[in-house]
Amino acid sequence: EAQVTQNPRYLITVTGKKLTVTCSQNMNHEYMSWYRQDPGLGLRQIYYSMNVEVTDKGDVPEGYKVSRKEKRNFPLILESPSPNQTSLYFCASSLSRGLAGLAGANVLTFGAGSRLTVL
Amino acid sequence: DAKTTQPPSMDCAEGRAANLPCNHSTISGNEYVYWYRQIHSQGPQYIIHGLKNNETNEMASLIITEDRKSSTLILPHATLRDTAVYYCIVRVDNAGNMLTFGGGTRLMVKP
Repeated sequence: EAQVTQNPRYLITVTGKKLTVTCSQNMNHEYMSWYRQDPGLGLRQIYYSMNVEVTDKGDVPEGYKVSRKEKRNFPLILESPSPNQTSLYFCASSLSRGLAGLAGANVLTFGAGSRLTVL
Repeated sequence: DAKTTQPPSMDCAEGRAANLPCNHSTISGNEYVYWYRQIHSQGPQYIIHGLKNNETNEMASLIITEDRKSSTLILPHATLRDTAVYYCIVRVDNAGNMLTFGGGTRLMVKP
């Protein structure tokens, strides 16, 4: 089944303890992205990646790092989590950026979400 | 990407058609209209997209006005499971970079 898998789904941690949220897709998608969702603020993009070794900042990158060493994986790293990073996080992927006109090339497939609480 | 405006909430009776409007008056010629929905706190789910022609799939229909300044997502026979937040997004089809979801429309389907 084509899917985006995030882990962990739920995590409670403490301020300053480094953590990584993994994201993996099995669709050979080039584009991957991380979002956070907070009440009243909708979905906001944190980082995105156009392809392997190509990443860029979204709307709210502060406090986060990402890497894209291989096509299928796009982990989100919180080096020193703080309570304001308590949120619901979503990873998403789509086929490609460069295939203009290819139907559905930019349709995003989302993971199930990771609910993170930082105390 | 063009900005979109959606009503914050709507109600619909179960079994009736749900018509969700979206205004995108600053849309440019190469921007597509995409619709996603999010049921409770699950990951958003793609519904449909189009450029200028009306589109239909197994989930919904998308009606885009001739001037492309607005569109309507139609769920022909809404069920309780269609209760969700619906997001309208306008973007160029080959622009994989920054994508922002706005507030969306919270659709409540009632028995």
